[in-house]
Amino acid sequence: SQTIHQWPATLVQPVGSPLSLECTVEGTSNPNLYWYRQAAGRGLQLLFYSVGIGQISSEVPQNLSASRPQDRQFILSSKKLLLSDSGFYLCAYDLWGREAFFGQGTRLTVV
Amino acid sequence: DQQVKQNSPSLSVQEGRISILNCDYTNSMFDYFLWYKKYPAEGPTFLISISSIKDKNEDGRFTVFLNKSAKHLSLHIVPSQPGDSAVYFCAALPSGGSYIPTFGRGTSLIVHP
Repeated sequence: SQTIHQWPATLVQPVGSPLSLECTVEGTSNPNLYWYRQAAGRGLQLLFYSVGIGQISSEVPQNLSASRPQDRQFILSSKKLLLSDSGFYLCAYDLWGREAFFGQGTRLTVV
Repeated sequence: DQQVKQNSPSLSVQEGRISILNCDYTNSMFDYFLWYKKYPAEGPTFLISISSIKDKNEDGRFTVFLNKSAKHLSLHIVPSQPGDSAVYFCAALPSGGSYIPTFGRGTSLIVHP
């Protein structure tokens, strides 16, 4: 069976510090991978998606970037965090373009 | 421009009664629809889906209805239980090869004992 791991669960970072959130999927190969951010009243905002190693599509211009160094690894990064980067970040995958499976999420607070 | 709309940000229902969550879409290319349930501080989990070739799909207490002509779908929960209290997201997938889902903003359901 497939599983998705996302860490850390919570993170408090100062403004201007770097960010690295990691997500890995087990039990499958070549998944579609996604990073979402949930903001209050705005639902799930798609940030990045990837259909293969090294293939990253950005949906929203921002202070963040994503990378897929391995087939089942998806990383969300920032060189310098802003206060507005605070939020709940979710990694997800799907296999055949149907239901997506989400990680447990990371609550990021930038102070 | 929201292509998937959940116009009710919240819904309060008494335990044992029916909960009806609504979702409207504007893109005629959407042909597969999903509902996800999300508890606080957790990732959403898939609940139920429906293809555009159907108008109803049922799974236990959960039933999704699709009205293509009205571009409207709804999730019915019968009977509602306190454990159903969560945020419910509607999502839609287009035909034609793109697998990127479009999510609504969610409806927070509270089921009172």
